[in-house]
Amino acid sequence: GAGVSQSPRYKVAKRGQDVALRCDPISGHVSLFWYQQALGQGPEFLTYFQNEAQLDKSGLPSDRFFAERPEGSVSTLKIQRTQQEDSAVYLCASSLGAGRNTDTQYFGPGTRLTVL
Amino acid sequence: ILNVEQSPQSLHVQEGDSTNFTCSFPSSNFYALHWYRWETAKSPEALFVMTLNGDEKKKGRISATLNTKEGYSYLYIKGSQPEDSATYLCAPYNTDKLIFGTGTRLQVFP
Repeated sequence: GAGVSQSPRYKVAKRGQDVALRCDPISGHVSLFWYQQALGQGPEFLTYFQNEAQLDKSGLPSDRFFAERPEGSVSTLKIQRTQQEDSAVYLCASSLGAGRNTDTQYFGPGTRLTVL
Repeated sequence: ILNVEQSPQSLHVQEGDSTNFTCSFPSSNFYALHWYRWETAKSPEALFVMTLNGDEKKKGRISATLNTKEGYSYLYIKGSQPEDSATYLCAPYNTDKLIFGTGTRLQVFP
């Protein structure tokens, strides 16, 4: 079956622009995660959804970052007034269960955001 | 905040060599450890989920061991092939999220 897909794959934004990154998880997966990977670092947790409920947003770096999953499937990560430090790869992952520690997270290919 | 360390940061080996790398994490409040392989321009791919002290998992030429008491895991690749070239990431599970290390970047030369 289809894996996790993300769009766009690449995004170039001018500083101050708003961007929206989309994630299509595997159908039927309850949990959805967003991670940010800066150059030379491992992916860092941003936020977690269980169905449409955003249960953890502790990793969002500022109030310019906003995520939603209104119908419990597709999710959008929005970044307002982008800054150069927002340049990173944004990864989305989904898992079948409701946040169990042994659930495999299946990742999308990521969106590489470059802010000029 | 969990501190997850992976070593070495990068590794270059010849085809056919066996290799191993380390993931270190705090041993308190351990739940599970995930290993991923991430090839350039592709999605990170799950390798193993490990939970029990002394656990050993194998997938083809790749295997991993886990020591939860001292807080480390080893990943071994036997007879490395060029297609093994990738970044290998470990991630302990904490509360509701994975905490990733910075990864070990493996390059296998033919």
